Amino acid sequence: AQKVTQAQTEISVVEKEDVTLDCVYETRDTTYYLFWYKQPPSGELVFLIRRNSFDEQNEISGRYSWNFQKSTSSFNFTITASQVVDSAVYFCALSEAGEETSGSRLTFGEGTQLTVNP
Amino acid sequence: EAQVTQNPRYLITVTGKKLTVTCSQNMNHEYMSWYRQDPGLGLRQIYYSMNVEVTDKGDVPEGYKVSRKEKRNFPLILESPSPNQTSLYFCASSLLRTANYGYTFGSGTRLTVV
Repeated sequence: AQKVTQAQTEISVVEKEDVTLDCVYETRDTTYYLFWYKQPPSGELVFLIRRNSFDEQNEISGRYSWNFQKSTSSFNFTITASQVVDSAVYFCALSEAGEETSGSRLTFGEGTQLTVNP
Repeated sequence: EAQVTQNPRYLITVTGKKLTVTCSQNMNHEYMSWYRQDPGLGLRQIYYSMNVEVTDKGDVPEGYKVSRKEKRNFPLILESPSPNQTSLYFCASSLLRTANYGYTFGSGTRLTVV
């Protein structure tokens, strides 16, 4: 069965600090997809990134970067020079490719509450 | 605008009083699903539907019902709500019958059962 673990329940940093959110996953499939979502205080879920299991290249988008390492089953998310607006709950999620008829689903981690203080 | 619409956004109800949370998507998506979010537990899937008239249980289906009579609508029904169903609920949809491209989420429904 697929599982996602975000061991950091809460992280608090001061503005402009770099912060890394950890995500460890478990799956038996060789083909799978990993995601990060952001949930700001307003409550909606905002898609940040999708990565398939065959693409281990790190990705950078502005102040955001993602480090995917299959050897350690991790998909960590780093925010560089954090800002107050980055304060949110961040979720890591996994989808196993599977068969269409099996109804693959997103399995979420527990979430990490990031607070960026001015 | 392409979106998933949930109603209501907030709901306070009493134990045992049947309620329905509506969900509608305007993207012609095949797949729809309901999740609940609880502190420390992340989001857990309640039910999902891969097509009209096809629904199946997720991880936490007890106490919930769903129906998919039309492609665009996927209501969540609580026949006899209990306080342990107090939670934040999300409806989600996906173009294909797979989660591999992620979901489009509704804005959430915060339910309190007293």
